[in-house]
Parts: sequence; structure tokens; C-alpha cells
Amino acid sequence: ETGVTQTPRHLVMGMTNKKSLKCEQHLGHNAMYWYKQSAKKPLELMFVYNFKEQTENNSVPSRFSPECPNSSHLFLHLHTLQPEDSALYLCASSQGELLKNEQFFGPGTRLTVL
Amino acid sequence: SQKIEQNSEALNIQEGKTATLTCNYTNYSPAYLQWYRQDPGRGPVFLLLIRENEKEKRKERLKVTFDTTLKQSLFHITASQPADSATYLCALANNAGNMLTFGGGTRLMVKP
Repeated sequence: ETGVTQTPRHLVMGMTNKKSLKCEQHLGHNAMYWYKQSAKKPLELMFVYNFKEQTENNSVPSRFSPECPNSSHLFLHLHTLQPEDSALYLCASSQGELLKNEQFFGPGTRLTVL
Repeated sequence: SQKIEQNSEALNIQEGKTATLTCNYTNYSPAYLQWYRQDPGRGPVFLLLIRENEKEKRKERLKVTFDTTLKQSLFHITASQPADSATYLCALANNAGNMLTFGGGTRLMVKP
């Protein structure tokens, strides 16, 4: 185990639903991240949080809304998603300088949008 | 635009041989380069990090090189084992710390 947990592991939702993905890290890291991994596409960085403050938003549509209440927890709120949003959503954490150090990934949430 | 290329075709090698995976990049001046391993249905696992001023890094059976002139990193696994079979991802980070870009990964299959 990497010390980063994600729930749920699998999620199926309709385009009109609202759901949330949860990530928790037990490593005492200062930074947390959301990534999207679609079939046959590279891993894409979505959001970056440093000490619960958002520092990066890589042109992600507003139907994805992150929330970081503290340095250990990260949420991704989903609403009115499209079928092309179906993917593996990965959470990661790291310590120290953002994006320059080893990242610890969770197991991911496999999302299917119908 | 920035581009990272990893061989999208699977690499098949015999157990005991050295596996060499390539990561090429264009329109990018990375300060750090990382290699990860990803097994099906799981998140990536960090393997090695190399900085732009380092030519080579080793960890047990793993070796990474970083040539900023050729804009290329090579990832070697010596004495490969079937358990090394996985997808290997390279990722490039800039100095500003606001971007980490992943390659598409190369699938390695080590046959007994």
C-alpha cells in the first residue's frame, strides 16, 4: 500500500448525476493532486493543492470541482459529466517542492459515465 | 507544443536480459525526470528521479540516464524477471514546479 486511499474504487453515473470522489493520504505530505487517465492517453494532471490551497488548474472543465479541506483529504465533485469523462481518476500526494519529488499514487477510481 | 514520446508498442524480452526503454521529448526543458511503474488497474509507483545536471542514476537493477542534448532518457532493467512485466511511464517536471507531464508509457513483457 502506498499510504494513499481512494473511494469509491468503481463508480457508474448518469450524465445528470452528482457524485464525489474521495482521497486520503496518511503520509503527512503537503501536496495533493488529481490526475485523469483515459484509455490510450497519457496521464493528465488536473489539479494541484499545496497545504490545502489550490495552485494549479490545468484548464479542467467546471463540471469537475475539487475541494481540499485539509492537507490529508482531497475531493473531486462531479456533476453533469459527459461519456468522454469516463476514465481512471488518480489521486497522488508528495512532500516538499510541488511536482519535483516522488509522487505517491492511490489505486484510482474507475469512473464510467453513461 | 511540448511532446513526450515513449514507444507505444510493447517490448518483449527474455528473462535475464536487459530491458531498455526510451523517453524522448521535444519543445521542453525539464529540470527533473521521473520514472514510474504501473500495473493494470493500479496507480503508478515511483521508481527513480534524475535531475537535469545528473547524467545517470542507479537503484538496484535499475539505471536511468538523462541526456539533455539528445532530449532523451533511457531506463534500463538488468537481469530482468517476469515480475518486471508492467507499463513504465516517464514524467517531466519543469523548474517552476507547476507542471508534470507524463508520457504514454511502454509496456514491458518479460518472458520466462
